[in-house]
Amino acid sequence: DSGVTQTPKHLITATGQRVTLRCSPRSGDLSVYWYQQSLDQGLQFLIHYYNGEERAKGNILERFSAQQFPDLHSELNLSSLELGDSALYFCASSVEAGEAFFGQGTRLTVV
Amino acid sequence: GQNIDQPTEMTATEGAIVQINCTYQTSGFNGLFWYQQHAGEAPTFLSYNVLDGLEEKGRFSSFLSRSKGYSYLLLKELQMKDSASYLCAVYSSASKIIFGSGTRLSIRP
Repeated sequence: DSGVTQTPKHLITATGQRVTLRCSPRSGDLSVYWYQQSLDQGLQFLIHYYNGEERAKGNILERFSAQQFPDLHSELNLSSLELGDSALYFCASSVEAGEAFFGQGTRLTVV
Repeated sequence: GQNIDQPTEMTATEGAIVQINCTYQTSGFNGLFWYQQHAGEAPTFLSYNVLDGLEEKGRFSSFLSRSKGYSYLLLKELQMKDSASYLCAVYSSASKIIFGSGTRLSIRP
């Protein structure tokens, strides 16, 4: 158990809908990273938050947004969902620079 | 731009040694990670190299050469449970952890 909690574990939704994925980092970790992993693909960096502020953005679609709250948990919002958004979404947390620990992921299926 | 290259697939024999190479070109460099990922599961942390040289941790060792933009992961005394994908990732100065596509390692008896 990495100490990073992601909910829900599985999510099935229809095209055009909006979903929110939640991540609780390890106690004391200020950084949260979000990644998308499509079937048999590598991890694609989406966004990095540090202590409530956006630090870096990757190839994140405009339909996607994220935030980190004062209690350091983070949410990834995906809207106007398309079939191609079906993937595993991981968050990872770290103290600052250094080893990042991953949650178990949310498997999103868009039908 | 950012580019991280590692072989797509490798096969090795149980009990043997395997070396997985990774080359990178990134805008800024703060360190290099290696992760192990079994299919459908979360990546698990193996190593983090910041300075040049070899770091050993049990059956796994990781090497870094910053001047060459090169790293390798060495796995010794291979076990069947080591069959997994191994991910090389760079922590760039832009506060991003960028992953390579991963190397799928198959262990045969």
